[in-house]
Amino acid sequence: NAGVTQTPKFRVLKTGQSMTLLCAQDMNHEYMYWYRQDPGMGLRLIHYSVGEGTTAKGEVPDGYNVSRLKKQNFLLGLESAAPSQTSVYFCASSPPGNVYNEQFFGPGTRLTVL
Amino acid sequence: LAKTTQPISMDSYEGQEVNITCSHNNIATNDYITWYQQFPSQGPRFIIQGYKTKVTNEVASLFIPADRKSSTLSLPRVSLSDTAVYYCLVGDTGRRALTFGSGTRLQVQP
Repeated sequence: NAGVTQTPKFRVLKTGQSMTLLCAQDMNHEYMYWYRQDPGMGLRLIHYSVGEGTTAKGEVPDGYNVSRLKKQNFLLGLESAAPSQTSVYFCASSPPGNVYNEQFFGPGTRLTVL
Repeated sequence: LAKTTQPISMDSYEGQEVNITCSHNNIATNDYITWYQQFPSQGPRFIIQGYKTKVTNEVASLFIPADRKSSTLSLPRVSLSDTAVYYCLVGDTGRRALTFGSGTRLQVQP
């Protein structure tokens, strides 16, 4: 099992450019999440999904869009990148039920917006 | 949503026991207490979860007093590889996502 994988690992964008971050999990988990982590801070939830075809906003959703067309994939899109979106992005997944069931995190994507 | 307060940083030496206390005065009846560990350049990793009294697994112990207004994560005989940030999270079973604070940065010295 690869667990949770994220593509790409690093990316540099110019202000106004767009990009999509891909998260994939092979654990057949229903729930998937996107977080961002700024230097010295904890993680903040951007969007999440409780199943294929469904998404919901988290704590800091502005400037991001997501899609969950397949159960194993969760995409995070930046339509027009801004320097404030420079961060490390983590994807996670978890089985259904109690949200405090263990969440499994990917290795992260380090994004820099110039 | 119960707010958590934990020390910003702690230092220890190899072989010592480390106790990290988290305050959560507004914890609700349905809330569980969960701890995650994050190494540099990695995503967080679940360590332990509890509701009351004491929980122990192969990695750590979690002590929760009767009033549940605080909890203590205990790491026995730490090693250099335990250097990480430790997050205390509190939440009910109905929530769909985790809320992370700033965590406690543990530095283990040789």
